[in-house]
Amino acid sequence: GDSVTQMEGPVTLSEEACLTINCTYTATGYPSLFWYVQYPGEGLQLLLKATKADDKGSNKGFEATYRKETTSFHLEKGSVQVSDSAVYFCALIPSGGSNYKLTFGKGTLLTVNP
Amino acid sequence: NAGVTQTPKFRVLKTGQSMTLLCAQDMNHEYMYWYRQDPGMGLRLIHYSVGEGTTAKGEVPDGYNVSRLKKQNFLLGLESAAPSQTSVYFCASSYHVLLPNYEQYFGPGTRLTVT
Repeated sequence: GDSVTQMEGPVTLSEEACLTINCTYTATGYPSLFWYVQYPGEGLQLLLKATKADDKGSNKGFEATYRKETTSFHLEKGSVQVSDSAVYFCALIPSGGSNYKLTFGKGTLLTVNP
Repeated sequence: NAGVTQTPKFRVLKTGQSMTLLCAQDMNHEYMYWYRQDPGMGLRLIHYSVGEGTTAKGEVPDGYNVSRLKKQNFLLGLESAAPSQTSVYFCASSYHVLLPNYEQYFGPGTRLTVT
């Protein structure tokens, strides 16, 4: 079945450091890929997405590129801020439209210290 | 535009008690979902609905029931709560998965403790 594997956290960085959170997936065809963010005490919200190979999603200084050849969708940011402290989830939905279920990774907790 | 709202925000139940969690969305979404979030497990889908009057099982449906009598509401019921159902419950809604603007919108969550 479909699955998403994220790097295990927690990840602790200093402000202005570079961030990479690895995400790889297993799925048939060309799934759509997502990064969701969960700030403390809140629900998840979409951070960025990509729907086909080589697409780059970007938002709030975060980027991720859909790499079909390596089945990866790594999240990157060049300079993190304290306000980026949150849990980040990688997710996919299969292609074709017959499966409505988002498959999530287990989440990566990021803490950014001033 | 409130998005997705959930009621209640917190609840403590004793083993064997029942309760209903209410989810409401004002975005005219066809699809609605119930997830549970447990430490180290990510989010797991309990039940979902692809339209008014329809429901379907997700990954972990046992011990839960759902109803979608109105398009904007999706109810999650626990008939006889167990300590294993202690969790944070999230509702979400979305347009059809094939639409270019597809994303799931999440509510703020309900923290349930079963003692």
